[in-house]
Amino acid sequence: EPEVTQTPSHQVTQMGQEVILRCVPISNHLYFYWYRQILGQKVEFLVSFYNNEISEKSEIFDDQFSVERPDGSNFTLKIRSTKLEDSAMYFCASSILGYEQYFGPGTRLTVT
Amino acid sequence: RKEVEQDPGPFNVPEGATVAFNCTYSNSASQSFFWYRQDCRKEPKLLMSVYSSGNEDGRFTAQLNRASQYISLLIRDSKLSDSATYLCVEMNTGNQFYFGTGTSLTVIP
Repeated sequence: EPEVTQTPSHQVTQMGQEVILRCVPISNHLYFYWYRQILGQKVEFLVSFYNNEISEKSEIFDDQFSVERPDGSNFTLKIRSTKLEDSAMYFCASSILGYEQYFGPGTRLTVT
Repeated sequence: RKEVEQDPGPFNVPEGATVAFNCTYSNSASQSFFWYRQDCRKEPKLLMSVYSSGNEDGRFTAQLNRASQYISLLIRDSKLSDSATYLCVEMNTGNQFYFGTGTSLTVIP
């Protein structure tokens, strides 16, 4: 069964550094998403991406964040100048038609 | 914006029991709802979609009540493997997912 994959599974970075989180969505899916979940809190929407552009973004997704689909398979989330409060689990998801979303296993980001 | 509200629980039920969770939403224009389950420190996994009046899949039944703006999930004949956090999700007209905080279920032998 096709799955969303994410790398790395755990990333530790120092405050102020830039990180890139990588995702490979399910191959025939057209919609891509990033979410984050701070430990003990709910899953929060960050951004959705369709047809090579951002279709929706939340208030959390400010200028510190960017997304890219550099080739036909990868979907990346870049976080510039990381802060302590960026520490969270980041989930990528994909959807074929923009309804049911399938989530990857997540990248745990720890900012020290 | 108050989006999706769930009773956090925890619900502790014996094996074989029937358990129901409710979830309320605030946006009357939302059309699509989902139930996901999340195991500790894992990703949400799609359990059921709730598009119209309801949906049934084996031991699981999801219902949507538009008049009262809530959805429910019923689990019959609970198994130990059903222990997880159940997440209610509302999809708004912009295809954004809003997650509830989740309801914790522990099925006890």
